[in-house]
Amino acid sequence: NAGVTQTPKFRILKIGQSMTLQCTQDMNHNYMYWYRQDPGMGLKLIYYSVGAGITDKGEVPNGYNVSRSTTEDFPLRLELAAPSQTSVYFCASRGRTPLHFGNGTRLTVT
Amino acid sequence: DQQVKQNSPSLSVQEGRISILNCDYTNSMFDYFLWYKKYPAEGPTFLISISSIKDKNEDGRFTVFLNKSAKHLSLHIVPSQPGDSAVYFCAASGGGADGLTFGKGTHLIIQP
Repeated sequence: NAGVTQTPKFRILKIGQSMTLQCTQDMNHNYMYWYRQDPGMGLKLIYYSVGAGITDKGEVPNGYNVSRSTTEDFPLRLELAAPSQTSVYFCASRGRTPLHFGNGTRLTVT
Repeated sequence: DQQVKQNSPSLSVQEGRISILNCDYTNSMFDYFLWYKKYPAEGPTFLISISSIKDKNEDGRFTVFLNKSAKHLSLHIVPSQPGDSAVYFCAASGGGADGLTFGKGTHLIIQP
């Protein structure tokens, strides 16, 4: 049982480039989330989804987009990468259980 | 404005002794509280939780205490073991779909 899988694990982007962070879960959870964690800080919510076709903004959504076409997948899109988006990104999902996290994507924008 | 505060960035405890991690919150709508543990290069993993209708929840070596009037919770680990060395995040929920609000974390170091 893989749980929540995030790819890639690491990525370096140049300013202005775009990329998609992938997240997939195999627990049939309806709720999925994207968080970012900056050094010395807690996790901040970027976007979340309560089911396929439904997404909503979290605390820090600017510069990001999401889609939820299936229950399993919840990709996060960066259109014009900026140095302020250098962070570790965590995807999480839940059903009736506490949030279950993936192992993160470490993104550096230079 | 931080709604969940962990005021100790780090804590060092000797192996076998008690570790006490503290967390304060400001939002009265929070009714469910959790502790997550995080090792380097891994995602946070759920440790223990408590509902606002309780003031204590115990699971093996881990106990969480909730003081609603003080808006304070604490995690006790007894006895502390080397594998407990990690960053611990306090988190809170108001029951909505919009996930959890996290503190900044406390880095617990268990010394032999």
